[in-house]
Amino acid sequence: LAKTTQPISMDSYEGQEVNITCSHNNIATNDYITWYQQFPSQGPRFIIQGYKTKVTNEVASLFIPADRKSSTLSLPRVSLSDTAVYYCLVGLMEYGNKLVFGAGTILRVKS
Amino acid sequence: SQTIHQWPATLVQPVGSPLSLECTVEGTSNPNLYWYRQAAGRGLQLLFYSVGIGQISSEVPQNLSASRPQDRQFILSSKKLLLSDSGFYLCAWSPPRDRGAKNIQYFGAGTRLSVL
Repeated sequence: LAKTTQPISMDSYEGQEVNITCSHNNIATNDYITWYQQFPSQGPRFIIQGYKTKVTNEVASLFIPADRKSSTLSLPRVSLSDTAVYYCLVGLMEYGNKLVFGAGTILRVKS
Repeated sequence: SQTIHQWPATLVQPVGSPLSLECTVEGTSNPNLYWYRQAAGRGLQLLFYSVGIGQISSEVPQNLSASRPQDRQFILSSKKLLLSDSGFYLCAWSPPRDRGAKNIQYFGAGTRLSVL
């Protein structure tokens, strides 16, 4: 399982774009990159997943460079309700689908 | 659509008492099932996962155990709780490998366990 490194915390203001970068230098060829969001006292919620280049959905965008050794979650125009912990995970569709959740990035959005 | 149910939402138990947390999934078959624990302010720790009935893999040796008596039911148990068992317990499911899904896990609402 590829190890990931994320900033411990980030602060932003409402209406700004937030970019959270995750490093995963030992990502394997068949690994996918997945981001989750977790609010206090709730289970994590899937945000977005990608393999290479750029993926966009109604919530966020995920940018993955050609070497795939890092990825950036982009949240457009954040609001106070985006205050949460964001986890970057890297893994393969392997037996048991085991994923490792690190400490994540605490995003605080201020008014 | 698929849903995951986890109960109870909160639980206060004395040290040495037994534990049983239940998780069920609806709307899918043969899911992969997981139990995680999260200490306050920390990331998630995978405790057990299961790819089928009766198939349980343990990630962390401890006084907890898991069982999967039915395809969509996953139970976390303990015979005697320790203070260190306190935490936020989360159940999750993911599609089986043969569905072509890409490692996405879907979590329940969690159980806040306090051992006193």
